[in-house]
Amino acid sequence: DGGITQSPKYLFRKEGQNVTLSCEQNLNHDAMYWYRQDPGQGLRLIYYSQIVNDFQKGDIAEGYSVSREKKESFPLTVTSAQKNPTAFYLCASSIARDLNTEAFFGQGTRLTVV
Amino acid sequence: GEDVEQSLFLSVREGDSSVINCTYTDSSSTYLYWYKQEPGAGLQLLTYIFSNMDMKQDQRLTVLLNKKDKHLSLRIADTQTGDSAIYFCAERPNYGGSQGNLIFGKGTKLSVKP
Repeated sequence: DGGITQSPKYLFRKEGQNVTLSCEQNLNHDAMYWYRQDPGQGLRLIYYSQIVNDFQKGDIAEGYSVSREKKESFPLTVTSAQKNPTAFYLCASSIARDLNTEAFFGQGTRLTVV
Repeated sequence: GEDVEQSLFLSVREGDSSVINCTYTDSSSTYLYWYKQEPGAGLQLLTYIFSNMDMKQDQRLTVLLNKKDKHLSLRIADTQTGDSAIYFCAERPNYGGSQGNLIFGKGTKLSVKP
């Protein structure tokens, strides 16, 4: 079955550590996105990628990094520079960024700093 | 800039109709969307409406669009306890820095009481 998979579902990080969240899709989508969700804040765009080997900063990119070496994969690294990383992270993909195409979401990763 | 506004909470009784309202600011958005998020999960596209339409109906869901006032609503008829979730309104601007990206509201938490 086609879909978008995020792992792990829960992640705990010590202060000062970098952690990487995985996002994989087998939908053959060109565009992929990372969002951060905080209670009462809705979804805020961290990074997006329109095509392999290309990615752009979203609204809240500071303290995060991404790579897009393969079409299927768009991992997000939360670095120690991110001051408040505890949040729910959602990955999404769509056929293309500019068309009216449905964005498919993963089930999310809840990151907690301990 | 682009902004999408929604009320944060709505409580209804089972069997009643629910109406979730949304206002958006970017008149260039060609499509407007409603997503549903169940607890601890990703977002699922419920429905969308093209900006040249006033209304779209899909089974229990009715979307109304007032383009002049930039107002979008989602009506759920015969609301069930399984409809309890957070509902996000989203637009996709055609111009500006956010062109092509989905801009989400903060979400409306719908609680359905038996």
